[in-house]
Amino acid sequence: EIVLTQSPDTLSLSPGERATLSCRASRSFVSDYLAWYQQKPGQAPRLLIYGASNRATGVSDRFSGSGFGTYFTLTISGVEPEDFAVYYCQHYGSSPPTYTFGQGTKLDIK
Amino acid sequence: EVQLVESGGGLVKPGGSLRLSCAGSGFTFVNTWMSWVRQAPGKGLEWVGRIKGRSEGGPTDYAAPVKGRFTISRDDLKSTLYLQMNSLKPEDTGMYYCATDIPGRPFDHWGQGILVIVSS
Repeated sequence: EIVLTQSPDTLSLSPGERATLSCRASRSFVSDYLAWYQQKPGQAPRLLIYGASNRATGVSDRFSGSGFGTYFTLTISGVEPEDFAVYYCQHYGSSPPTYTFGQGTKLDIK
Repeated sequence: EVQLVESGGGLVKPGGSLRLSCAGSGFTFVNTWMSWVRQAPGKGLEWVGRIKGRSEGGPTDYAAPVKGRFTISRDDLKSTLYLQMNSLKPEDTGMYYCATDIPGRPFDHWGQGILVIVSS
């Protein structure tokens, strides 16, 4: 089973700053199957990025994803107040069922 | 618009049972694979299990911590997904979300979640 480790656990930034969140896998896998989610308090997770670099429908172009192999990143080009939330990376696959999440990175206001 | 609405949560004693429901609308439910994901209070996301669509015969898969205790089923006529939880443990406490699970895709759509508390 692949283990995903996100860093940092908490990232404190001011609005307008650039955020870089990392997700490292315990072994390499096809980048087609790496996703990022945003979760705000009291809400369900929301899909942001799939296939490592593809934005989901309606997601601002402030968000971008990159990476391959064992190292992936989510970048927010200029953090807006509504972006302060917890972000999870996920490795997903249908056969065998693979739905591993990282432990999350909390982006909070500095 | 895709909508998923969970119901059936609540407080249950250890060893007890509970059945969650997830009503889907705005998409073709019958052949859509569906998953359950849970989140313990203040913790991260954990996949619980999934059910494939009717065209595949609706087989199920489960995460190790719930295998043998939880059962996922679906009623395509009612566009409803179920999670039967038996032999509940305190560590099963958390928010439970249903989500669409298209092969080769991440979880595109999520319900709002329903809270399950296992406590004496």
